[in-house]
Amino acid sequence: NAGVTQTPKFRVLKTGQSMTLLCAQDMNHEYMYWYRQDPGMGLRLIHYSVGEGTTAKGEVPDGYNVSRLKKQNFLLGLESAAPSQTSVYFCASNSGRSNQPQHFGDGTRLSIL
Amino acid sequence: SQKIEQNSEALNIQEGKTATLTCNYTNYSPAYLQWYRQDPGRGPVFLLLIRENEKEKRKERLKVTFDTTLKQSLFHITASQPADSATYLCALSHLKTGKLIFGQGTTLQVKP
Repeated sequence: NAGVTQTPKFRVLKTGQSMTLLCAQDMNHEYMYWYRQDPGMGLRLIHYSVGEGTTAKGEVPDGYNVSRLKKQNFLLGLESAAPSQTSVYFCASNSGRSNQPQHFGDGTRLSIL
Repeated sequence: SQKIEQNSEALNIQEGKTATLTCNYTNYSPAYLQWYRQDPGRGPVFLLLIRENEKEKRKERLKVTFDTTLKQSLFHITASQPADSATYLCALSHLKTGKLIFGQGTTLQVKP
């Protein structure tokens, strides 16, 4: 009964380094989302996917790339990390219908020095 | 631009009392409004959803109201318990896209 699993849970990077955050869901959901959460600003949508092989930009997509090669996985990449990308990243999934809740992972805490 | 506001100040109440949290929005006509609970170090967990044509929704000790004229939702926890202490997020969703726009959350502290 895993739901949405995010790896890693914590990571510290140096400016300019790259990394990939992995999100996996076992609920056969079509839609997947990546958010960042910063103090006082709430959750902001970075990118999302409405199905395998498709991705779209959210509210704050700059500096991030995503891929959805398999239905159950949604990857978030930082090509050249910047201190402004220090944040907590959450992945979520749902069936895609607007009256359905989103199911969240427990986040990845990323610090960029 | 679309804006959602929740009380940024923490809400402190005594155990047994009713907690009331507010969510206001502007420049938006949501089809649905959702409330989530978030504990420290964890992801948000869905609590309740209310549709634009519903005035009120209840689930156990939780009650949500949705006033599209005032552009406001109220979230009530009756007979509050220390275990209810958490941050509560409201989120609005559009009928077609299903994407959520979140408020910044209100932290509730229930003291025994």
